[in-house]
Amino acid sequence: EDKVVQSPLSLVVHEGDTVTLNCSYEVTNFRSLLWYKQEKKAPTFLFMLTSSGIEKKSGRLSSILDKKELFSILNITATQTGDSAIYLCAVGLLSQGGSEKLVFGKGTKLTVNP
Amino acid sequence: DGGITQSPKYLFRKEGQNVTLSCEQNLNHDAMYWYRQDPGQGLRLIYYSQIVNDFQKGDIAEGYSVSREKKESFPLTVTSAQKNPTAFYLCASSRRAGNRDEQYFGPGTRLTVT
Repeated sequence: EDKVVQSPLSLVVHEGDTVTLNCSYEVTNFRSLLWYKQEKKAPTFLFMLTSSGIEKKSGRLSSILDKKELFSILNITATQTGDSAIYLCAVGLLSQGGSEKLVFGKGTKLTVNP
Repeated sequence: DGGITQSPKYLFRKEGQNVTLSCEQNLNHDAMYWYRQDPGQGLRLIYYSQIVNDFQKGDIAEGYSVSREKKESFPLTVTSAQKNPTAFYLCASSRRAGNRDEQYFGPGTRLTVT
């Protein structure tokens, strides 16, 4: 069975702290790993990772994938209260019939206090 | 203004009634998806469609049905056979199925069945 496990499930930090969110996976036919941020409603896309060791960066957020150890991390530096959200990790895999589907982890709920 | 719309935002139904959730996209995306999200859980795939007039069951299809008669539209019917229908339902689309394209999400419909 395809599995995506995120840790921690919940995290509370103070503004200015740096956080690292973890995502490990065990799937067949891996294609990609994606990170989404979900505030109130629709998840919004952050990163897609397909190659090991290549860091993707956007402002204070960065992410990297390790395909040998089957995990990814999402780093947020100098956190702000606006970073408070649920961060979802999803693995894209090739399903029967040749279509790609996403398997999601349960998410990490990040709370940044002022 | 391109995007994915879902309606309604909130829906209340009595047990035993079928209900249809709307999802429309004007992004010219081939693939569309329905997910269900429960508190403390990640997103779980209900159904997905790669092209018009074709769709496949996801991981939790029992008690649900879909149709894809038009590229822009992928309505989801929650039938009375679904044992725990109360949840947050998210629709998503991606440019092409089977390609490494990120999924874009609609704002979601929160369904409450009493």
